[in-house]
Amino acid sequence: SSELTQDPAVSVALGQTVRITCQGDSLRSYYASWYQQKPGQAPVLVIYGKNNRPSGIPDRFSGSSSGNTASLTITGAQAEDEADYYCNSRGSSGNHLVVFGGGTKLTVL
Amino acid sequence: QLQLQESGPGLVKPSETLSLPCTVSGGSISSSSYYWGWIRQPPGKGLEWIGSIYYSGSTYYNPSLKSRVTISVDTSKNQFSLKLTSVTAADTAVYFCARHSQWLVEDYFDYWGQGTLVTVSS
Repeated sequence: SSELTQDPAVSVALGQTVRITCQGDSLRSYYASWYQQKPGQAPVLVIYGKNNRPSGIPDRFSGSSSGNTASLTITGAQAEDEADYYCNSRGSSGNHLVVFGGGTKLTVL
Repeated sequence: QLQLQESGPGLVKPSETLSLPCTVSGGSISSSSYYWGWIRQPPGKGLEWIGSIYYSGSTYYNPSLKSRVTISVDTSKNQFSLKLTSVTAADTAVYFCARHSQWLVEDYFDYWGQGTLVTVSS
């Protein structure tokens, strides 16, 4: 089992706001990063650090954190946002070790 | 634009060693700011971090794979490589290489290779 826990599936109506969460003890000390993965493609980093977006990522993607839970929010979800989303962070033991969440399948209705 | 490209055999026999190089272009693997990592994804499943290496050769491995994994770097070729010994069908996965940024309180993988499917089968 992963040190980071994600809901397996979430759905959102087109144009609405959706929050995808990631829970784990390490998130009390370390920021989560978020990745979008579409079928047959490599993951794409969408959020890192406190709430940073790489170049080219739409500003409808944002990140936040509270306690042991990190969240990825998509404000005004688009059809092209339908994908798997993964969080990652340092492991709870620190020591440079990295963990990924199990992933959340986002369906845009 | 930084690019990473995995290469290697798509089929490995059980008990043998999986070897995959990752060639980096558009930037130097010797940059002091980054690690270089391997991540895998079994068919239909999630991402699993395998390990990361600094250009100096310092390595960090997933404890669940540590006994079978070696990651090395060849700065002259701008390349880093993964070796996984004693493979079984459970090691069948798409293997990705990626640039790994690790700072005080954050880790992220910002550039990824396209991934290569490795199947373990006799």
